[in-house]
Amino acid sequence: EVQLQQSGPEVGRPGSSVKISCKASGYTFTDYVMNWVKQSPGQGLEWIGWIDPEYGSTDYAEKFKKKATLTADTSSNTAYIQLSSLTSEDTATYFCASSIGWFAYWGQGTLVTVSS
Amino acid sequence: DIQMTQSPSVLSASVGDRVTLNCKASQNINKYLNWYQQKLGEAPKLLIYNTNNLQTGIPSRFSGSGSGTDYTLTISSLQPEDVATYFCFQHNSWPYTFGAGTKLELK
Repeated sequence: EVQLQQSGPEVGRPGSSVKISCKASGYTFTDYVMNWVKQSPGQGLEWIGWIDPEYGSTDYAEKFKKKATLTADTSSNTAYIQLSSLTSEDTATYFCASSIGWFAYWGQGTLVTVSS
Repeated sequence: DIQMTQSPSVLSASVGDRVTLNCKASQNINKYLNWYQQKLGEAPKLLIYNTNNLQTGIPSRFSGSGSGTDYTLTISSLQPEDVATYFCFQHNSWPYTFGAGTKLELK
């Protein structure tokens, strides 16, 4: 069974960084791209970017190129997103979503709250 | 970026009704269109992929259609558990984009 287990909620100070993890199981981690999605409170969904765990290649939506950094650790089947220079605009729930089955599998989401 | 416009933004319907949700892309997305259902506090759940393919385990009352720029999600007989927000999502062109959602309520 494919599962994506994300790390717990984070609180970050303005200007700081946070790093969220997404541990994959039930499939070969390096066979599928991992994607990240942002959902702001009460808002819609935004695609942040993707990482190919096998090669480490990435691509980002323009809006997130200076905000997010995607990495992956193939030894632990875990993908990461680091969000830098946090502002109130970064307060949101962040989801990982595998490309398996046409984006069928999502993590449960991680709430990031930016607060001083 | 491809803009995805969903209508209506809010839909009120009764149990048993046939409901139709619409999604319009700003350019041809070649049927690379998914529909997701999201309930409060949960991750989006895939209902339909690539326009008209029912995801495993999803009830057959859900169906999708469309081509080019215009796509539709139909629920043939609305059930109370279908109350949720529905998002369309294009994965034809990077960056992938979502519609703003249709909130489905019970009348």
